[in-house]
Amino acid sequence: NAGVTQTPKFQVLKTGQSMTLQCAQDMNHEYMSWYRQDPGMGLRLIHYSVGAGITDQGEVPNGYNVSRSTTEDFPLRLLSAAPSQTSVYFCASSLGLAGNEQYFGPGTRLTVT
Amino acid sequence: KNEVEQSPQNLTAQEGEFITINCSYSVGISALHWLQQHPGGGIVSLFMLSSGKKKHGRLIATINIQEKHSSLHITASHPRDSAVYICAPETSGSRLTFGEGTQLTVNP
Repeated sequence: NAGVTQTPKFQVLKTGQSMTLQCAQDMNHEYMSWYRQDPGMGLRLIHYSVGAGITDQGEVPNGYNVSRSTTEDFPLRLLSAAPSQTSVYFCASSLGLAGNEQYFGPGTRLTVT
Repeated sequence: KNEVEQSPQNLTAQEGEFITINCSYSVGISALHWLQQHPGGGIVSLFMLSSGKKKHGRLIATINIQEKHSSLHITASHPRDSAVYICAPETSGSRLTFGEGTQLTVNP
């Protein structure tokens, strides 16, 4: 199994551009989530999904959209990039709700200029 | 006040030392995760526990639900243990709240 994969690994955007960060898992996990990691702060939840067709907002959802059309894929869309969105983004998945091991992707380092 | 407090923030040890990282949290939880983030940035799960104690090799994790406190211990530390260790309590609905992490450096 490849586990959780993320693309791209690095991205530089100009303010106002849009892009999609890709996340896929091949473990048939129902629960997927997106986090951002900023210096001096813990990981913060952006959006999550408990299964195909179901998504919900996390702690810091503004400026981001998600969709979950299949169990495997959970893309994160930046609608109009802002410098405040410069961060490292991690996708994670787990078998289900509550008490399941979390599997993280390798991360995407995004810089918005 | 943060919901999750880790201590210490930074820790430098000599190879072979016994290491303890502490995590205190203020929310009610269903489980608590300990994660390791390597210098390259990748995050791996070390433990998930809801009571008592778990051991994997040289790593031991304990939790006291009543006191809202968990500890991660590393016995016979090695330079390859150098990483950031992150405590993440899990609230209902599988929502994780993350500590800022403890940067551990083990010198040979």
